[in-house]
Amino acid sequence: GESVGLHLPTLSVQEGDNSIINCAYSNSASDYFIWYKQESGKGPQFIIDIRSNMDKRQGQRVTVLLNKTVKHLSLQIAATQPGDSAVYFCAETGRGGKLIFGQGTELSVKP
Amino acid sequence: KAGVTQTPRYLIKTRGQQVTLSCSPISGHRSVSWYQQTPGQGLQFLFEYFSETQRNKGNFPGRFSGRQFSNSRSEMNVSTLELGDSALYLCASSLEGRGTTEAFFGQGTRLTVV
Repeated sequence: GESVGLHLPTLSVQEGDNSIINCAYSNSASDYFIWYKQESGKGPQFIIDIRSNMDKRQGQRVTVLLNKTVKHLSLQIAATQPGDSAVYFCAETGRGGKLIFGQGTELSVKP
Repeated sequence: KAGVTQTPRYLIKTRGQQVTLSCSPISGHRSVSWYQQTPGQGLQFLFEYFSETQRNKGNFPGRFSGRQFSNSRSEMNVSTLELGDSALYLCASSLEGRGTTEAFFGQGTRLTVV
């Protein structure tokens, strides 16, 4: 079946520390893996994606790592800020291009 | 550039009623997808419309339907509402949809069925 799951439902970090959010996926045929951020009262917002033939991609303060051997995806946020507090979803492109989302990890940043 | 607009933001309906939700995509975007978000099931894909045609469909019963107009605006309809249909319904737009990862989401419509 198609499913994307997350290891931890909540993550609490100190402001300024690095955050690592993990995700496991099951569909090896996905072309892309994506991270979305959802703040309270808002819809998900695209953060970064990675193509299935890559193992690392960096953005501004964020890095996504893809380990296809163990079907694992992670999002690293450098120097975490209070504005990073949100629920983070991993997603993969399924059949027909639809997005298959994981359950989400709530990131809480302590000042 | 205006974002994705969903109306209404909040809705309360009674079991058995039907409801229509609206989504206006970003100008120029031709693909509109709908998702249901609940605490228990997370974000689940409902369907995708592209150029007024349903191009992809998730695993939801036939009570859930949608359509897209020539200006790319989309509506979804849920008939014979059940308590379990209470959820945040999100619409996402993208230029082409298929193969696109950067979907832009609206703020959602919070539907409560009582």
